[in-house]
Amino acid sequence: EEQLVQSGGGLVQPGGSLRLSCAASGFTLSLYRMNWVRQAPQKGLELVASISSNGVDIYYSDSVKGRFTISRDNGDNSLFLQVTSLRGEDTAMYYCARGGGYGSAWGQGTLVTVSS
Amino acid sequence: EIVMTQSPATLSMSPGERATLSCRASQSVGSNLAWYQHKPGQAPRLLIHGAFTRATGIPARFSGSGSGIEFTLTISSLQSEDFAVYYCQQYNNWPPWTFGQGTKVDIK
Repeated sequence: EEQLVQSGGGLVQPGGSLRLSCAASGFTLSLYRMNWVRQAPQKGLELVASISSNGVDIYYSDSVKGRFTISRDNGDNSLFLQVTSLRGEDTAMYYCARGGGYGSAWGQGTLVTVSS
Repeated sequence: EIVMTQSPATLSMSPGERATLSCRASQSVGSNLAWYQHKPGQAPRLLIHGAFTRATGIPARFSGSGSGIEFTLTISSLQSEDFAVYYCQQYNNWPPWTFGQGTKVDIK
């Protein structure tokens, strides 16, 4: 069964940092572009970062550029999102998602809460 | 960036009824349109890609149509497990993926 299992997340103070992880099983991560999508409370879905299969092509939304870093370890079948300089508006459920054009598989989500 | 607009925001329906959800793009996205189902506490689930192609394992009661700027997701006969939020997403011009704001299908 193809799965994306997420870890990381939690409660962090404004200005703090976290590392989100997404482990793939049942398929070879290196074949796919991967993405991080978030959903803030009572809001819709927002793509925040995307990385090509070889890690060369990277996209960040303007709202996170310079603060978040997406990376991957294809040998370990894993995807990461380092989130730094966190703000209240970064409070959201974060999902990893597989695919270039559309999300063909999604992780279960991990909650990031930014609060003092 | 292409803006996706969904209507209505909420659809109150009874089980067994036919549900029609709309999605409009601010410019043509061809057939590069996906639909997702999202339930609380769960991962979004891909239903449709390429505007009308059902993803693996998706029941035939879900169908997508449209091209260009106007798209429709139809659920032919609502089952209890279909009450959820539905999002459209364009991938004609990406990144980024851009999503509609969602349509909540709830029980009347």
